[in-house]
Amino acid sequence: SQTIHQWPATLVQPVGSPLSLECTVEGTSNPNLYWYRQAAGRGLQLLFYSVGIGQISSEVPQNLSASRPQDRQFILSSKKLLLSDSGFYLCAWSEGTSNQPQHFGDGTRLSIL
Amino acid sequence: SQQGEEDPQALSIQEGENATMNCSYKTSINNLQWYRQNSGRGLVHLILIRSNEREKHSGRLRVTLDTSKKSSSLLITASRAADTASYFCATDRPNSGYALNFGKGTSLLVTP
Repeated sequence: SQTIHQWPATLVQPVGSPLSLECTVEGTSNPNLYWYRQAAGRGLQLLFYSVGIGQISSEVPQNLSASRPQDRQFILSSKKLLLSDSGFYLCAWSEGTSNQPQHFGDGTRLSIL
Repeated sequence: SQQGEEDPQALSIQEGENATMNCSYKTSINNLQWYRQNSGRGLVHLILIRSNEREKHSGRLRVTLDTSKKSSSLLITASRAADTASYFCATDRPNSGYALNFGKGTSLLVTP
């Protein structure tokens, strides 16, 4: 069966520090991968998606970047965090075809001080 | 961008009652999906209904889709305290790797 791992679960970082959140998927090949951010009491905002190794599409220009160094690994990064980067970050995967559900990790709660 | 909008934003019912949540969207879709999120956790997929389907059932869940009105509803029958969660509708974006557009969600509270 397929599983998705996302870590860390919580993170407290000072403004201006770097960020690296990691997500890995097991039990499937060539998945589509996604990073979403959820503000308090809001729906999810798509940040990045990837349809293959090294292929990253950015949805919203911002202080973040993403990379996919391996087929089932997706990394969200920042060189210098801003206060506005606080939020709940969720990684997800799907089969990459129409009419397929997405499967989410447990999320990372990021607080910027 | 958010396409789906759920209604109501919050719903409070007692165990055993039915809960109905509605979702409206703006553009044409391939499918509409419903997800559940427990507080502080990731989203769990509940049900997917294709654009050529009108109704779908899964256990105590019943989803309807009206593409002419661009709306969907999620009915949870005989609710339980464990159903307490936020519920989101989402539509897919074929030109964006099938990423999802989510609404803001309905917060459901089921009291014993």
